[in-house]
Amino acid sequence: DIVMTQSPDALAVSLGERATISCNSSQSLLYRSSNQNYLAWYQRKPGQPPKLLIYWALTREYGVPERFSGSGSGTDFTLTISSLQAEDVAVYYCQQYFTSLSFGGGTKVEIK
Amino acid sequence: QVHLEQSGAEVKSPGSSVKVSCTLSGGTFNSYAISWVRQAPGQGLEWMGGIIPIFGTTKYAQKFQGSLTITADKSTITAYMDLSNLRSEDTAIYYCARTRVSGNSYYYMDVWGKGTTVTVSS
Repeated sequence: DIVMTQSPDALAVSLGERATISCNSSQSLLYRSSNQNYLAWYQRKPGQPPKLLIYWALTREYGVPERFSGSGSGTDFTLTISSLQAEDVAVYYCQQYFTSLSFGGGTKVEIK
Repeated sequence: QVHLEQSGAEVKSPGSSVKVSCTLSGGTFNSYAISWVRQAPGQGLEWMGGIIPIFGTTKYAQKFQGSLTITADKSTITAYMDLSNLRSEDTAIYYCARTRVSGNSYYYMDVWGKGTTVTVSS
């Protein structure tokens, strides 16, 4: 099974500042024939279901603000919020779909 | 707009079973899968399994083999999750989610239901 590890567990960032979340997989998520990384990012606000933000590691879902971006390849990935807004307070999860499906443990983002 | 409506909260006794429904509105199953994902109190998200309704093919996480049955009714555009032999550790919020697929490979989940709380308690 592929194990997904996120860091940090929690992050406090000032409004307007950058937030960076890391996600590491126990094996490569890069499918070489397509050169795509099988990784997605979700945002979960209290009392709401998860919301898809990013798929194929860097493709933003329709309607997701441009301040959210995904990067990385192989085993190391990053979700960046370029300018944190109050409505971005949430828990963020990475998910691999290279072999079966599994999620990281989540990173809680708060306002400093 | 595609929307997934889930059945209401359940309270169950240990050893019993629970069946949760998930009805799609604003679209059809097409070539998507419906996955079931749960989140226990204080825990992360856990993919349990899914079904591609137009084919009726299912896929289960190894942990849930034997205790989980996922079915779908194409006529009512409804998927079902049936979890048996419940234990207190099965207390969680259960989500259904529309899942992009290719063949029998599941990818990411782009539409989610609001969740169904299942409490297992004696």
